[in-house]
Amino acid sequence: DAGVIQSPRHEVTEMGQEVTLRCKPISGHDYLFWYRQTMMRGLELLIYFNNNVPIDDSGMPEDRFSAKMPNASFSTLKIQPSEPRDSAVYFCASSKPGTTNYGYTFGSGTRLTVV
Amino acid sequence: SQQGEEDPQALSIQEGENATMNCSYKTSINNLQWYRQNSGRGLVHLILIRSNEREKHSGRLRVTLDTSKKSSSLLITASRAADTASYFCATRSGGSYIPTFGRGTSLIVHP
Repeated sequence: DAGVIQSPRHEVTEMGQEVTLRCKPISGHDYLFWYRQTMMRGLELLIYFNNNVPIDDSGMPEDRFSAKMPNASFSTLKIQPSEPRDSAVYFCASSKPGTTNYGYTFGSGTRLTVV
Repeated sequence: SQQGEEDPQALSIQEGENATMNCSYKTSINNLQWYRQNSGRGLVHLILIRSNEREKHSGRLRVTLDTSKKSSSLLITASRAADTASYFCATRSGGSYIPTFGRGTSLIVHP
């Protein structure tokens, strides 16, 4: 298995632009998580899905952030409009209960820079 | 808010030495996990210890759990330069399936 695949790896955009981050979870995993990591706040859970349904989006910072999971193999995190304070590394993770460590596997992340 | 907090925030040692990192948490847990994050990469699971376990080993890693003190430690023996990374603890509590991550310990192993 190729693991959790995120794209792009790096994104530099101007303030006000729309940014879309993409994630392909591990096949068979029925949970998907979006995290944001910064030096100041550490690793924050933004939202997670179970069987493509958003379960808890209480970590989404503002209405500018939205996430979708149209099918079991694809999810997006969108920021519109982007702001410099959104600069961070965004991770996607997927898991499957009942497996060792619940199969909790992270992608390599997308480093977002908003200028 | 983070459930687990790692200590120290940063650790610098020489190759061959042992590295010990600690994690403290506030509420009762079901299990505790340790992860490693290399620079520019995602977190990688290292080891899981359940609340009814006191110690686990995996290669050069040794994890202990003291539920009375609400703390865990990760020991890396005979460290290597390749062990340079950030190490995070994550806890699961109650009926929550979602692990809560600490802020991490940054380990530098000098060759």
